[in-house]
Amino acid sequence: DGGITQSPKYLFRKEGQNVTLSCEQNLNHDAMYWYRQDPGQGLRLIYYSQIVNDFQKGDIAEGYSVSREKKESFPLTVTSAQKNPTAFYLCASSMEGLGPDTQYFGPGTRLTVL
Amino acid sequence: KQEVTQIPAALSVPEGENLVLNCSFTDSAIYNLQWFRQDPGKGLTSLLLIQSSQREQTSGRLNASLDKSSGRSTLYIAASQPGDSATYLCAVKLIGSNYKLTFGKGTLLTVNP
Repeated sequence: DGGITQSPKYLFRKEGQNVTLSCEQNLNHDAMYWYRQDPGQGLRLIYYSQIVNDFQKGDIAEGYSVSREKKESFPLTVTSAQKNPTAFYLCASSMEGLGPDTQYFGPGTRLTVL
Repeated sequence: KQEVTQIPAALSVPEGENLVLNCSFTDSAIYNLQWFRQDPGKGLTSLLLIQSSQREQTSGRLNASLDKSSGRSTLYIAASQPGDSATYLCAVKLIGSNYKLTFGKGTLLTVNP
């Protein structure tokens, strides 16, 4: 069953902690993306990666970090420098960043700061 | 800077009604426009993708149109059903932007039985 998985579904963070959100895809897609969604808001791009070992900042990268060591995986770390991390985080992938291909989304991770 | 606006923010209709959701964008130099559906607490599901050279796309009871010159797109849902209740988001990809989708805030649709 091809698709994108995100884990965990819910995540709780204490002040000052770093946490890592997992995103895995078995669609053989080249490009992967991380978005943040706040209530009543559209999605905002955090980071994206078009190929392994390469990634670029999106609109709101401050306080976040990523890695892309494998084509299938694109983990997102929310660092203590992110002052307001409580949000719904969505991972997506597409065949390639260029071109018309649609982005396919995972089920999301809801992060709450305690 | 591209801005995407969706009107209305929320819509409630009785079952069986035909309805239209609206999306407008400020920069007409787009590569494509997509409509997505999002159920509460879930990820996004792509419904329709319209290339800039196309005027409309259809899938089942859904029809999306695109008018680049006026910066508008509509999503038409025929014979609405309670299962259509969800948030509908539109997103545009600008020419020259090989990765970035700019999203609207969405329209929350409720179809009442």
